[in-house]
Amino acid sequence: AQSVTQPDIHITVSEGASLELRCNYSYGATPYLFWYVQSPGQGLQLLLKYFSGDTLVQGIKGFEAEFKRSQSSFNLRKPSVHWSDAAEYFCAVGNFGNEKLTFGTGTRLTIIP
Amino acid sequence: GAVVSQHPSWVICKSGTSVKIECRSLDFQATTMFWYRQFPKQSLMLMATSNEGSKATYEQGVEKDKFLINHASLTLSTLTVTSAHPEDSSFYICSAREGQGGYTFGSGTRLTVV
Repeated sequence: AQSVTQPDIHITVSEGASLELRCNYSYGATPYLFWYVQSPGQGLQLLLKYFSGDTLVQGIKGFEAEFKRSQSSFNLRKPSVHWSDAAEYFCAVGNFGNEKLTFGTGTRLTIIP
Repeated sequence: GAVVSQHPSWVICKSGTSVKIECRSLDFQATTMFWYRQFPKQSLMLMATSNEGSKATYEQGVEKDKFLINHASLTLSTLTVTSAHPEDSSFYICSAREGQGGYTFGSGTRLTVV
């Protein structure tokens, strides 16, 4: 069975500082990997996804993520955060055959001035 | 890009009544849609997979008679919470699979049962 771990429940970062949110997955074959962002009371917006190919994936809003098979990780990064980045971030894993997405528990990002 | 419209965005109902939530894919056909439930400050829990023209597949522990799912067309899936009770109060989110591996989410429905 596939699973996702987001070790950090809550992260606080100063505006303008760099950000890395961790995500580790468990799946036997090559997974589909996603990062979503959720603002309070809202649905999920896709930041980026990895299916195959280049392991460094560029997304919207200046985010990027790197797929590292050897570490079973798909960490999300942003070089300089903005106050508007404050939200809940979810990592998810899927696969072609199953279609289901499995979500991590989320990381809440707080931005301080 | 692909858009999924979910309505209503919030609803308050009396205990014992039923509530229907709609999920529409606006610019693509979705043979498969998914319904999630999210408790405050928690992750999304998959409730069921909705397949156009066939019965939904429910996750273990989800009462299919309480959470009725209908996917009668390629652009519409509905979730009906029957005989709602306060413990059914939650945030419900749908998503649709578009293309190979892409998933688009609705904006969610906040259900409060009083």
